[in-house]
Amino acid sequence: DGGITQSPKYLFRKEGQNVTLSCEQNLNHDAMYWYRQDPGQGLRLIYYSQIVNDFQKGDIAEGYSVSREKKESFPLTVTSAQKNPTAFYLCASRDYNEQFFGPGTRLTVL
Amino acid sequence: EDKVVQSPLSLVVHEGDTVTLNCSYEVTNFRSLLWYKQEKKAPTFLFMLTSSGIEKKSGRLSSILDKKELFSILNITATQTGDSAVYLCAVVEETSGSRLTFGEGTQLTVNP
Repeated sequence: DGGITQSPKYLFRKEGQNVTLSCEQNLNHDAMYWYRQDPGQGLRLIYYSQIVNDFQKGDIAEGYSVSREKKESFPLTVTSAQKNPTAFYLCASRDYNEQFFGPGTRLTVL
Repeated sequence: EDKVVQSPLSLVVHEGDTVTLNCSYEVTNFRSLLWYKQEKKAPTFLFMLTSSGIEKKSGRLSSILDKKELFSILNITATQTGDSAVYLCAVVEETSGSRLTFGEGTQLTVNP
């Protein structure tokens, strides 16, 4: 089955800890994206990558970091510098016509 | 700065009603406009619009784009409770790595 997987589905962390969210796709897409969604709001772009070993900051990159060592994988690290990390995180990949989303990770920082 | 504005932000209707959701945008190099439906999980793709005046249709849902006036509408006829969701509009720019700029979404509630 082709698609995007994110893990874990739910994640709880203590304040001050870094946490890494996984995103894997087997759609052979070059472009991958990370979004954050807060309650009652649309999606805001954190980082995106158009090709392996290259990525760009989105609109709210502060406190986050990414890597793109493989085409299939685009992990997101939420660092302790992110002031309000509790949110729903969505990973996506894109071909020309459509952007496909993973199931999301709901991160709660206690 | 790119901007996508959706209206209304929330809407409550009764089953069988017809609804129209609006999306206006300001984008430097427009490539396409996408509509998504989100039901407490990841958004699911509905439509992609690139040309003005050509209606896209899928069952009770339809959408059209006006590139001159910079807006799109999403129509849902004979609404059902299963249509209750957040509807997201996103615009793709030609020259920014295919990044999408999303609106805030319209929360649609369909009551029986």
